[in-house]
Parts: sequence; structure tokens; C-alpha cells
Amino acid sequence: QKEVEQNSGPLSVPEGAIASLNCTYSDRGSQSFFWYRQYSGKSPELIMFIYSNGDKEDGRFTAQLNKASQYVSLLIRDSQPSDSATYLCAVNDNQGGKLIFGQGTELSVKP
Amino acid sequence: KAGVTQTPRYLIKTRGQQVTLSCSPISGHRSVSWYQQTPGQGLQFLFEYFSETQRNKGNFPGRFSGRQFSNSRSEMNVSTLELGDSALYLCASSPGQGYSPLHFGNGTRLTVT
Repeated sequence: QKEVEQNSGPLSVPEGAIASLNCTYSDRGSQSFFWYRQYSGKSPELIMFIYSNGDKEDGRFTAQLNKASQYVSLLIRDSQPSDSATYLCAVNDNQGGKLIFGQGTELSVKP
Repeated sequence: KAGVTQTPRYLIKTRGQQVTLSCSPISGHRSVSWYQQTPGQGLQFLFEYFSETQRNKGNFPGRFSGRQFSNSRSEMNVSTLELGDSALYLCASSPGQGYSPLHFGNGTRLTVT
């Protein structure tokens, strides 16, 4: 059974701080990794995706991947109250539309 | 470019009834996947259709079925509804090749009473 694990939180950070969200996965053969943001009552929104070891930056967001440790993380710099949401880590099960999702980490950014 | 469109947004059904949900993918996307989201189980994969063929299937009973049309639009059907089928049903589309990210629609909130 392939699994994706995340701390459920809530993770609380002050406005302007760096929020660090972590995710581990069980299948060493996984090739692609995704971070989605989901506001309460809304659908998941793609934030970042990463395929190669190392860092990938997009604005205030940085995704980090370490395949040897089977670990992927999302850093949010200069956190804003509008970043308060649940962040879902997902891993491709194969070259198709089947993603395995973690349970999500709830982030709260306090003004 | 228009996003993924799901209809209806909300549904209330009675146990034993059946329901059909609809999804129109992003233009040019050939893969449509369906997910069920509940507070207890999180996001769980139902099935994926690519070029009118079911390409992947999750671990749901046969009461859950789907299909895809030649224009890539997809429908999902749930027969003999149970209370536990109450959930947010999400459709996602992607180009379908390689490890493309999925783009989700707004979902259909199904309540079974």
C-alpha cells in the first residue's frame, strides 16, 4: 500500500515568517510530487510540482525534494494570513491521473 | 482558458437512489480523474479516463462507475446510494501524458439522507 504522510497540524506561524510543510512517501519509485492548497469549502489548487532532486522556487514558494530520503517539503516565505489553508502533498502512482494524497497539513498564519 | 467545470455543485439524494455527476475538462486535456474527499478518509482516487478508456481504477465498489465521451467530457455514476457516499466529489483533468499535474474542478457536494 503506497502511502504519503503529512503532519496534520495545525501549524501556526506569525505573519512574515517562513512556514515549512513536510511530507514523506513510501514508494521509492515515485517520480513526481505535487503541493496543493485547499481553502475550507473549496477544491484543491495546484501550488507547485517537482520532479528532480533539489529545490524549485516560484515566488514565495519553494519545493524541496530528496528522493534518497523519500522526503518532499514546501517552504512559504513571508507568510500572509491569506496563506492560511490546508496544504496537500501528492505523489503520482504512475504516469496517469492517479495521485496518492497525504491527509494534509492545516496552516494558520496569525497577523 | 476555462478551467475544469463540474455540475451540479450540490446534490441531495436519498439512500438507494442513483446519481450522475458531470465533468468538462480543460480544453485540450484528454485525461479526467475522479476523487472522493471526506473528512475521515481525505482525498481518495476513484478512477481515471483517457481517450474514452478507463486507464486507472481505485479501490471503490462497483456501484461507482464512470465513462468518458469523445470530447473528453466525463460522467461519474453512483448507484444504490449509501449514507457513507456523502462526500465532495472532485474531477481533475490533465493532458494525460507523463507526469502532468492535475487541475481540479470546484467539485460536487453530494449529501445522502
